[in-house]
Amino acid sequence: GDSVTQMEGPVTLSEEAFLTINCTYTATGYPSLFWYVQYPGEGLQLLLKATKADDKGSNKGFEATYRKETTSFHLEKGSVQVSDSAVYFCALSLNTGGFKTIFGAGTRLFVKA
Amino acid sequence: KAGVTQTPRYLIKTRGQQVTLSCSPISGHRSVSWYQQTPGQGLQFLFEYFSETQRNKGNFPGRFSGRQFSNSRSEMNVSTLELGDSALYLCASSPGAAIPPYEQYFGPGTRLTVT
Repeated sequence: GDSVTQMEGPVTLSEEAFLTINCTYTATGYPSLFWYVQYPGEGLQLLLKATKADDKGSNKGFEATYRKETTSFHLEKGSVQVSDSAVYFCALSLNTGGFKTIFGAGTRLFVKA
Repeated sequence: KAGVTQTPRYLIKTRGQQVTLSCSPISGHRSVSWYQQTPGQGLQFLFEYFSETQRNKGNFPGRFSGRQFSNSRSEMNVSTLELGDSALYLCASSPGAAIPPYEQYFGPGTRLTVT
């Protein structure tokens, strides 16, 4: 079945460090891929998206590239800030006559000053 | 545009009771999806509604039901509450177009505690 696997957390980094959160997926069909972020006590916010192979989604310094050959959508940021501390979810969406969105388990990121 | 709103934000219920949660999507969005978020199971898809019709359903028992009104507002109902139903219930809206990306915009959630 369709699934998303992302690296387990928590991930703890110092401010200005490089961030990578790995995400791989399994899907029947051609999914759209997303990264969502959840800050404490809030709902999910869309961080970035990609709809086809080799598309690069980017927002707020975060980037991820849709890699069809490796079925991956890894999240990267060159220099993290304390304010980036949150839980990050990788997700895929398919149109199966209705929307179907599968989320990864989430990766908690802590950034220390 | 106003974002997705959910009411109430917090709710405490007793086992065996029923509960109704409400979601108002972004203006113009016709698709509303519901998710259950728990520490153990993560984010699990409940169902999706589009133009008052349920288009997709997750693997939850029949105690979980929903509906959508003509103005796209949606409600979900959980009957005969169990302790395991304690969770954050998230609503997400989407334009509902049949072409990608199928991005969703989430509300702040309703925190349900069953005692």
